[in-house]
Amino acid sequence: EPEVTQTPSHQVTQMGQEVILRCVPISNHLYFYWYRQILGQKVEFLVSFYNNEISEKSEIFDDQFSVERPDGSNFTLKIRSTKLEDSAMYFCASTKQGAHTGYTFGSGTRLTVV
Amino acid sequence: KQEVTQIPAALSVPEGENLVLNCSFTDSAIYNLQWFRQDPGKGLTSLLLIQSSQREQTSGRLNASLDKSSGRSTLYIAASQPGDSATYLCAVEKPNTGGFKTIFGAGTRLFVKA
Repeated sequence: EPEVTQTPSHQVTQMGQEVILRCVPISNHLYFYWYRQILGQKVEFLVSFYNNEISEKSEIFDDQFSVERPDGSNFTLKIRSTKLEDSAMYFCASTKQGAHTGYTFGSGTRLTVV
Repeated sequence: KQEVTQIPAALSVPEGENLVLNCSFTDSAIYNLQWFRQDPGKGLTSLLLIQSSQREQTSGRLNASLDKSSGRSTLYIAASQPGDSATYLCAVEKPNTGGFKTIFGAGTRLFVKA
């Protein structure tokens, strides 16, 4: 069964450093997403991406965040200057033709900012 | 503002029991509702997706129903097994400025005792 692959599985970074979280969505999917889950809290939407541009973003997705599809397979989330409160699990997801076709989630990257 | 609530927050049952997990949402203008399973420290696995025009979906021992007008969905698990132990999340997709947004509930943590 096709999978969404995320790397690394765990990243520890110093406050103020830049991090890039990587995702390889399912190859024939057209819509890509980032979600995050702070420990013990709900899964929260960050951003959706389609046709090489952001189609929707949440209030959380401020200027510190950016997304990119640098080639035909990778989808990245960059956090420019990490804060302690950015510590969370970050999930990448993809859908074939939009959320109504059902999400496939990756296994997540646990980001710890120290 | 769309709110998604799941009851109970936690549930412990003996193996073999049939059980019902509840999800409610405040705004009935949704595109679909999806149930996920999340194992500790892991990603989300999609279980069932119900479009707004549908009333229920079934997969194996799982059955999910949707009553959009009353803002409720239930996930029925038949003949529960220890392997069903996980957190179950429901999520609704709703219209948003520029497109859509998916809102998650906080989940029901299920423990099935052998």
